[in-house]
Amino acid sequence: GAGVSQSPRYKVAKRGQDVALRCDPISGHVSLFWYQQALGQGPEFLTYFQNEAQLDKSGLPSDRFFAERPEGSVSTLKIQRTQQEDSAVYLCASSSGKRRISPLHFGNGTRLTVT
Amino acid sequence: TQLLEQSPQFLSIQEGENLTVYCNSSSVFSSLQWYRQEPGEGPVLLVTVVTGGEVKKLKRLTFQFGDARKDSSLHITAAQPGDTGLYLCAGADGGATNKLIFGTGTLLAVQP
Repeated sequence: GAGVSQSPRYKVAKRGQDVALRCDPISGHVSLFWYQQALGQGPEFLTYFQNEAQLDKSGLPSDRFFAERPEGSVSTLKIQRTQQEDSAVYLCASSSGKRRISPLHFGNGTRLTVT
Repeated sequence: TQLLEQSPQFLSIQEGENLTVYCNSSSVFSSLQWYRQEPGEGPVLLVTVVTGGEVKKLKRLTFQFGDARKDSSLHITAAQPGDTGLYLCAGADGGATNKLIFGTGTLLAVQP
């Protein structure tokens, strides 16, 4: 498809497990964002990539969170030693980055539940 | 820290009624966007406003950006059940990445 694809759609992890969430952005999109969204709340910024460079990781809540985009396309958000407070929907968004204000195209998210 | 507060947090109305959602901040934003999100899906962009005082219309939806670029409103005329969803405003922080800061959200339910 032509949209942003995220996998898995749902992930259940036991506390202490590591998880990896994948994002396939729209082909050719330079900018890629990760957001965390609690139920009924607005998304909160986690990190931003321009091509393969991680230019902003100010929103990552702890050093257990790590993101990469090694070839400037697919990105992976990794959470180590998951905690219950990590339960949320993780959204990925991409944009062309060709203009200062480029529309963000969101995937449908990965719902993470830590038990 | 830039914060965007939305009000009301929840709104349940009957089909055909009008409503207004507010998005307020003490910070100035270089641009502001409105998104709608349905359950199990990602937010979808409705509109972008850039200039203070700007008004944009999208069918029954009217968006306004405050003169000082610190606040915005979304007005829906004659709401329909298909308008149901989570409405999110988002301001561009104007920094190097110009990342979006999302508001707290307004959950709208339109009853038939």
